[in-house]
Amino acid sequence: GAVVSQHPSWVICKSGTSVKIECRSLDFQATTMFWYRQFPKQSLMLMATSNEGSKATYEQGVEKDKFLINHASLTLSTLTVTSAHPEDSSFYICSASGLAGQTQYFGPGTRLLVL
Amino acid sequence: AQSVAQPEDQVNVAEGNPLTVKCTYSVSGNPYLFWYVQYPNRGLQFLLKYITGDNLVKGSYGFEAEFNKSQTSFHLKKPSALVSDSALYFCAVRVYSGSARQLTFGSGTQLTVLP
Repeated sequence: GAVVSQHPSWVICKSGTSVKIECRSLDFQATTMFWYRQFPKQSLMLMATSNEGSKATYEQGVEKDKFLINHASLTLSTLTVTSAHPEDSSFYICSASGLAGQTQYFGPGTRLLVL
Repeated sequence: AQSVAQPEDQVNVAEGNPLTVKCTYSVSGNPYLFWYVQYPNRGLQFLLKYITGDNLVKGSYGFEAEFNKSQTSFHLKKPSALVSDSALYFCAVRVYSGSARQLTFGSGTQLTVLP
């Protein structure tokens, strides 16, 4: 149980385009989803927290207009990187927690490369 | 503010020997403590957690961790290391506080098990 998927696993795009990453909880209802960014050999940096049906809460320094987060259902959250630039290249990981909320379960991550 | 420290960037151990990955924490309330493992280009996998109760927590793949309140530590241990245990390990903490579900991660420890 507690499986979280992400799609796509890899994406390469041109500078200026927008990229959407999906995060799904496959066997539980995720009342809260989290989006992280990870640079090589570094820890996870929390970007935002989203609760189903409400606006995401962004961490300080994260541009909400650049990283659009939608959590429209209890099993799906999306992160859209708008007008991507090479500095947005990174490993993006989502996690989800259910109503009890004790444990976050992580997706496999999405590697984004912006050329 | 809560924080987690993993004092060792790298831990090397011979296969079959016991391993320890260290973690200390700083929180103002009662902590929820977690260990996650990350394999290359993958998301985080949940290993174990401490919420309350027995200080020795057993988790996946033969790992265990001991919560020590006086030393504010939560070291990860395994009696006999396997080469396949080689990965990046993250300790994380969440304060038991109502709706607050954010995890704070340590910087990670790269474990290498030598054959």
